[in-house]
Amino acid sequence: DQQVKQNSPSLSVQEGRISILNCDYTNSMFDYFLWYKKYPAEGPTFLISISSIKDKNEDGRFTVFLNKSAKHLSLHIVPSQPGDSAVYFCAASDNQGGKLIFGQGTELSVKP
Amino acid sequence: DTAVSQTPKYLVTQMGNDKSIKCEQNLGHDTMYWYKQDSKKFLKIMFSYNNKELIINETVPNRFSPKSPDKAHLNLHINSLELGDSAVYFCASSPLGTGSNYGYTFGSGTRLTVV
Repeated sequence: DQQVKQNSPSLSVQEGRISILNCDYTNSMFDYFLWYKKYPAEGPTFLISISSIKDKNEDGRFTVFLNKSAKHLSLHIVPSQPGDSAVYFCAASDNQGGKLIFGQGTELSVKP
Repeated sequence: DTAVSQTPKYLVTQMGNDKSIKCEQNLGHDTMYWYKQDSKKFLKIMFSYNNKELIINETVPNRFSPKSPDKAHLNLHINSLELGDSAVYFCASSPLGTGSNYGYTFGSGTRLTVV
């Protein structure tokens, strides 16, 4: 039973355009949501997070939107750059000992 | 200076062998984790230690035994390796009481291949 799902395994975007990565979850007890970025042969690195009491958090080119009623969050990257090409993981915390539950990732390819 | 380091990076071994993966963090974090990324790419938690004490133990076969000699180290020992154990194993750490919006710091992973 996968509580965090990223239904798009891959996404291809032109440089300069917007990238939108989506994530759905099932557990209404999740209180924090995070996005991680992963390059090949490296570990995931923390990108941006949002608390369940907010609906938007912005950090430079990256914005995360949370729709609690739909149990859906998205990551927007504007403008997209070739260096953004990586696998993006959505994760959620149920605050049970700090456990993070991850989705299966979306591979973003930004073409010049 | 690597914040979370795992060794080895690659491990190829035969079925039935016993192997260990080591993890060290120099961030002063109190909590360390082992995650497994399987062939379907999901990152699934296996274990979590807080200050050398086991706090999360997901449904993992008894063949997997974590050991935390101090709060900066969390090693993973696997007995009687099976083909299905082939995966990438990630170590991570976080400050006490988070996993919330602070997130984890991950190591670069150990790719285990059982043949």
